[in-house]
Amino acid sequence: TQLLEQSPQFLSIQEGENLTVYCNSSSVFSSLQWYRQEPGEGPVLLVTVVTGGEVKKLKRLTFQFGDARKDSSLHITAAQPGDTGLYLCAGVDYNNNDMRFGAGTRLTVKP
Amino acid sequence: SQTIHQWPATLVQPVGSPLSLECTVEGTSNPNLYWYRQAAGRGLQLLFYSVGIGQISSEVPQNLSASRPQDRQFILSSKKLLLSDSGFYLCAWSVGNRGNEKLFFGSGTQLSVL
Repeated sequence: TQLLEQSPQFLSIQEGENLTVYCNSSSVFSSLQWYRQEPGEGPVLLVTVVTGGEVKKLKRLTFQFGDARKDSSLHITAAQPGDTGLYLCAGVDYNNNDMRFGAGTRLTVKP
Repeated sequence: SQTIHQWPATLVQPVGSPLSLECTVEGTSNPNLYWYRQAAGRGLQLLFYSVGIGQISSEVPQNLSASRPQDRQFILSSKKLLLSDSGFYLCAWSVGNRGNEKLFFGSGTQLSVL
């Protein structure tokens, strides 16, 4: 069973700072997704990456899929309080199509 | 547009009592349906998924069961709740083949078993 490790587990920064969070595994993914979840709500899909080395941008968020499709990163530029939430990565196992979620990075952006 | 409704939002139940959580999807046909549980500090754990009416796959053996009586209705049940059943339960839907899912989640049910 693949394990997705997300780091850091918690991150608290000031508004305007940049940050990067990571999602790592020893297994190869056929695709990887990032979700954001606010307290008391379900996760909302932000992006899906499929190709090794792929970079996708969503406004101030930049998502990168590792060349070997085993890891991914999410970079936020000039963070805002509205970026506060739990960021979850989910990988689809290349061998059996199972989707597994990481435990998430809980981001707090202080005004 | 597609919407997913999940209720109740919060639930406090005594140990040994039954459970029924309901989820319905609107605006799509023959969706894949999922029940996840989220515990603090852990990733979402897939409990059940369904690709059609009456077709339920269980990911982990446990005190819970699921049913899909209609195309867009998914129910999570238990006959006798345990303390360990406490958690945040999420229903989700997707379309497409397994491995290409994009999940759309409901707003969740916070279950506290006391």
